[in-house]
Amino acid sequence: DVKVTQSSRYLVKRTGEKVFLECVQDMDHENMFWYRQDPGLGLRLIYFSYDVKMKEKGDIPEGYSVSREKKERFSLILESASTNQTSMYLCASSTLGSGANVLTFGAGSRLTVL
Amino acid sequence: AQKVTQAQTEISVVEKEDVTLDCVYETRDTTYYLFWYKQPPSGELVFLIRRNSFDEQNEISGRYSWNFQKSTSSFNFTITASQVVDSAVYFCALSEWSTGNQFYFGTGTSLTVIP
Repeated sequence: DVKVTQSSRYLVKRTGEKVFLECVQDMDHENMFWYRQDPGLGLRLIYFSYDVKMKEKGDIPEGYSVSREKKERFSLILESASTNQTSMYLCASSTLGSGANVLTFGAGSRLTVL
Repeated sequence: AQKVTQAQTEISVVEKEDVTLDCVYETRDTTYYLFWYKQPPSGELVFLIRRNSFDEQNEISGRYSWNFQKSTSSFNFTITASQVVDSAVYFCALSEWSTGNQFYFGTGTSLTVIP
């Protein structure tokens, strides 16, 4: 069964801490995405990557960075967590294409910043 | 401007009722793709359907059906004879040929089916 796996389902961190959210896919997909989901706002794209070491900013990149050292792994980094980054974070992947490709999502990581 | 609008924030229906979830989109591309995803309480978004802009045929899959109308820029989703397992948040999404890997999601509709 093909999968996108997010390492942590629930995290609680303190303001100012550095936070790593890890995502691994086993489908050999070129594209990987990080979304943030908040009530009433839907899914908002933070960053995406279409190749190893490549990254593109999404709609809300401020306060976040990403790393893609291997094709299967895409990490989201909060350098100094703040309370307004409390949210559900969703990782997704897809094959390279022109928009027709289906996104496969992980189960999500719910981050609470105190 | 919001490219995908799901005006219904929350809907509650009694089991076995039919329910339609609305989705209106906005794009200038002639080639684009529309999607519906389901997010059950477990959290993982699950793909339901994809349509391309050249195929306006309605689609039926069991109790699910989709009505794509380019004239009104709508891609509505109907669940017939709803069941408790249909309770979830449903997202409509758009991707465009010109922006390739960019997906635009609506804000989601939370459906509760009451037994």
